[in-house]
Amino acid sequence: DAGVIQSPRHEVTEMGQEVTLRCKPISGHDYLFWYRQTMMRGLELLIYFNNNVPIDDSGMPEDRFSAKMPNASFSTLKIQPSEPRDSAVYFCASSLMNTEAFFGQGTRLTVV
Amino acid sequence: GDSVTQMEGPVTLSEEAFLTINCTYTATGYPSLFWYVQYPGEGLQLLLKATKADDKGSNKGFEATYRKETTSFHLEKGSVQVSDSAVYFCALSERGGSEKLVFGKGTKLTVNP
Repeated sequence: DAGVIQSPRHEVTEMGQEVTLRCKPISGHDYLFWYRQTMMRGLELLIYFNNNVPIDDSGMPEDRFSAKMPNASFSTLKIQPSEPRDSAVYFCASSLMNTEAFFGQGTRLTVV
Repeated sequence: GDSVTQMEGPVTLSEEAFLTINCTYTATGYPSLFWYVQYPGEGLQLLLKATKADDKGSNKGFEATYRKETTSFHLEKGSVQVSDSAVYFCALSERGGSEKLVFGKGTKLTVNP
């Protein structure tokens, strides 16, 4: 298996623009997680899904952030409108129940 | 709420030195504890874990023991290598698996030849 695949690896966008981050989990995994990593706050769980259903989105910072999982092999994290303080590395991870999470390589987002 | 506190970095060591990275936690129940490692430009990888008190997790020469009495899960390695240079994260999960992982801030380790 190729592991968790995220795209793009790097994204530079202007403030106010819409940004969409993409994730393909490991085939067969039924949990999917979105994390954000910043120097100030470290790694924060934004939202996670089980069997494509959002279970806990309490970490989503604002209404500008939304996440979807239309099927078992694809998820998106959207920021609209983007702001400079959204600049961070966003990680997607997937797992089976009660097993380790496998992380993608991350998307480095820069909002200018 | 649950939290994880790691020693501040960065940590710089010479090859073959002994490594300790301290980690303490606060949790309402009996969490599972993890160490993850992040190599430059990559995502996090599970290094080791322990699911109950007095369990010792080990992998690649690294060890950590779940100490309930001191709420600690310190990472140790007897002889570090240059290839161990990375950022190390301590984490907990109340649910045993990967749901609701709570991470520490991370400790950057640099090993010089």
